[in-house]
Amino acid sequence: EPEVTQTPSHQVTQMGQEVILRCVPISNHLYFYWYRQILGQKVEFLVSFYNNEISEKSEIFDDQFSVERPDGSNFTLKIRSTKLEDSAMYFCASSDSEGWNEQFFGPGTRLTVL
Amino acid sequence: DQQVKQNSPSLSVQEGRISILNCDYTNSMFDYFLWYKKYPAEGPTFLISISSIKDKNEDGRFTVFLNKSAKHLSLHIVPSQPGDSAVYFCAASDLGGNTPLVFGKGTRLSVIA
Repeated sequence: EPEVTQTPSHQVTQMGQEVILRCVPISNHLYFYWYRQILGQKVEFLVSFYNNEISEKSEIFDDQFSVERPDGSNFTLKIRSTKLEDSAMYFCASSDSEGWNEQFFGPGTRLTVL
Repeated sequence: DQQVKQNSPSLSVQEGRISILNCDYTNSMFDYFLWYKKYPAEGPTFLISISSIKDKNEDGRFTVFLNKSAKHLSLHIVPSQPGDSAVYFCAASDLGGNTPLVFGKGTRLSVIA
């Protein structure tokens, strides 16, 4: 069964450093998303991406964040200068173009900012 | 502002009994609702969904009920099994299909053998 994959599973970084979280969505999906979940809190939407551009973003997704689809398979989330409060699980999700379809989530990357 | 609320952080149910997980929402524009299940160290997994044109959707042991006037939905699992022990997230969307999902905080279900 096709699945969304994410690498790395755990990333530890120093405050102020740049990190890139990687995702490989399901191959025939066209819509891509990033979410995060701070420990003990709800899953929060960050950004959606379609047709090589951001279609929607939340207040959390400020200038420190960027997304890219550098090739036909990868979808990345970059945090330019990490802050302590960026420590969270980051989930990538994808969905196909037909309406009412659920989003499929990857296993997540745990980001720890020290 | 919590647009999707799951007021019970945890629930314990005996194996074989019914589990009822509740979710309330405040945004009347939401017209598509989903339940996700999450095991530790894994991403959320889609479980079942319902659109606002329905009031019930059933898939095997899982049934979701939607009460639009009360802005309330519930997930029923019957019979509950130990493998159902997980965190259950309610999520909602205001356009259906491929739009951002707003999640609740989740309810941890423990099914006791």
